[in-house]
Amino acid sequence: TAGITQAPTSQILAAGRSMTLRCTQDMRHNAMYWYRQDLGLGLRLIHYSNTAGTTGKGEVPDGYSVSRANTDDFPLTLASAVPSQTSVYFCASSASGTSGYNEQFFGPGTRLTVL
Amino acid sequence: GQNIDQPTEMTATEGAIVQINCTYQTSGFNGLFWYQQHAGEAPTFLSYNVLDGLEEKGRFSSFLSRSKGYSYLLLKELQMKDSASYLCAVRDSNYQLIWGAGTKLIIKP
Repeated sequence: TAGITQAPTSQILAAGRSMTLRCTQDMRHNAMYWYRQDLGLGLRLIHYSNTAGTTGKGEVPDGYSVSRANTDDFPLTLASAVPSQTSVYFCASSASGTSGYNEQFFGPGTRLTVL
Repeated sequence: GQNIDQPTEMTATEGAIVQINCTYQTSGFNGLFWYQQHAGEAPTFLSYNVLDGLEEKGRFSSFLSRSKGYSYLLLKELQMKDSASYLCAVRDSNYQLIWGAGTKLIIKP
């Protein structure tokens, strides 16, 4: 079982360009999440989806958009990248986002540099 | 605001015991998680506490006191492979995880 995959592994992007980070899970989890991780800071939630067809804003949503057309895929789009979006991006999933104990499983991450 | 505090870095000796503390102030509480993250890798789940007390899992144990807003992760019989960052996270009233910045644990032979 692959679990969660992310693509690309790393990317260098020119400021002002757009980019979509891909995330796919094969665990049939209802909930999916996008985080960014910066040195000295905890993981910060960008957007989440508790079930296919719904999305919500996290702590740092500005400059990012998501969609959840089906259970497996949860792409993150940067419409016009800025250097402050340089970070490591992790996608995660859990069986449920709204009840009980639900461990989050993480993808391997995408290292994004915006110049 | 919501806040999770943990020490930035700790050093311990192979074979010893280390305790990593976490204090939190969050809007609501629906459980506390500990994750391990090796450098350059994704976080992986270690433990979950929702009731007060100690949860033991092999060499790792986690303790929770909800009244004090406090948890610790106890690692016994330390091995070199335990060198990693340990992340404390609290599930808030919206069922979102609020994360601490992590504690980098350095194990010396």
